[in-house]
Amino acid sequence: QVELQQGGAGLLKPSETLSLTCDVFGGSLIGYYWSWIRQPPGKGLEWIGEINHSGRTNHNPSLKSRVTISVDTSKNQFSLKVTSVSAADAAVYHCARRGPAQSFDSWGQGTLVTVSS
Amino acid sequence: QSALTQPASVSGSPGQSITISCTGTISDVGGYNYVSWYQVHPGKAPKLLIYNVSERPSGASHRFSGSKSDNTASLTISGLQADDEADYYCASYTATSTLYVFGAGTKVTVL
Repeated sequence: QVELQQGGAGLLKPSETLSLTCDVFGGSLIGYYWSWIRQPPGKGLEWIGEINHSGRTNHNPSLKSRVTISVDTSKNQFSLKVTSVSAADAAVYHCARRGPAQSFDSWGQGTLVTVSS
Repeated sequence: QSALTQPASVSGSPGQSITISCTGTISDVGGYNYVSWYQVHPGKAPKLLIYNVSERPSGASHRFSGSKSDNTASLTISGLQADDEADYYCASYTATSTLYVFGAGTKVTVL
């Protein structure tokens, strides 16, 4: 059973860069795509983007210009950066593994990101 | 506004069956069998309940079942239990550049 453990700062000021990491335990990055998904307060889930072990990425066009997703195979870890954050970026951010039939079969515990001056 | 439409809340008594709908378009739910359902308890990581419209991953309870008709997918919870009280989200692969879309979630209350 793969386990995803998230890290990173949860309190940011407007215009700062959000940086989160997701460590993968009990499994390899190889053979899967690894996603970031967020949930703003009171709203539904939003897919941000994904990466595979070789660094190939797909992004949600609504965020693409501000988002960087990277992978570090030596650490079995992938990361998310979102530049120029605003109040609209406040959300619980999850990392997840894309599993069978385009589903997300393993999730991180979530990181609450607050944006406040 | 979420891409997939779910009822905000559904409730039922212990032992009853309830159904949650998830309505999309021909570009997502109606065009592919890549519909999945997730259970989210407060403060916990989402849990995959159903994938491929009606398949259950190992470890998921047989009380959860999924189906689809045209642009609407459904999740049925049979034999409702207190621990089923949670938020439920549907998701679908989409032919648009967004790739994956979710519903806004349905809060299930066990009366």
